[in-house]
Amino acid sequence: DTGVSQNPRHKITKRGQNVTFRCDPISEHNRLYWYRQTLGQGPEFLTYFQNEAQLEKSRLLSDRFSAERPKGSFSTLEIQRTEQGDSAMYLCASNSESNTEAFFGQGTRLTVV
Amino acid sequence: ELKVEQNPLFLSMQEGKNYTIYCNYSTTSDRLYWYRQDPGKSLESLFVLLSNGAVKQEGRLMASLDTKARLSTLHITAAVHDLSATYFCAVESSNFGNEKLTFGTGTRLTIIP
Repeated sequence: DTGVSQNPRHKITKRGQNVTFRCDPISEHNRLYWYRQTLGQGPEFLTYFQNEAQLEKSRLLSDRFSAERPKGSFSTLEIQRTEQGDSAMYLCASNSESNTEAFFGQGTRLTVV
Repeated sequence: ELKVEQNPLFLSMQEGKNYTIYCNYSTTSDRLYWYRQDPGKSLESLFVLLSNGAVKQEGRLMASLDTKARLSTLHITAAVHDLSATYFCAVESSNFGNEKLTFGTGTRLTIIP
């Protein structure tokens, strides 16, 4: 396992379409985080999973956003009815109880046209 | 709500010069991170600072933490072009195992030959 893996790396979609991103954390990590980074800004926390349980959601996560981690391994982030304001880099990170340093994936860059 | 401020936001400096980036945060925190980000890329972890007075150095970069002042610094010594990037500090707030990060707005560093 070489690190946190995110797919796809880039996604271009038309406004109003749904998109789904995937994150595979480091295998022994039970904690998983999603962040969003818009151009010129620092990443902002979206949501947190411990195993399969989603324990915290930011107010940034509108009703159009849903995240899952069904078996406590990989996670998906879905955006429904995309808007131009959703264009951003979506970053996934993972860590564990024994090492709380977060390791980030390469990110998925979403462009809504 | 935890707030993290970095300054300067933009820094243009000549090769060979020294400079410092500052990171202030608003509430007590467990640890502080420094990351580097190249354009279009994800976050590269530089330093993790765990306690008051912590100092870490890697090459031309040195980071320090003063938890009483809620201040961290990233010092660049004899800058070289390869250090051109955006640097973020991030403060960890731990809540029942959720070690989410609050990022500063970043410092875009440009090293001029």
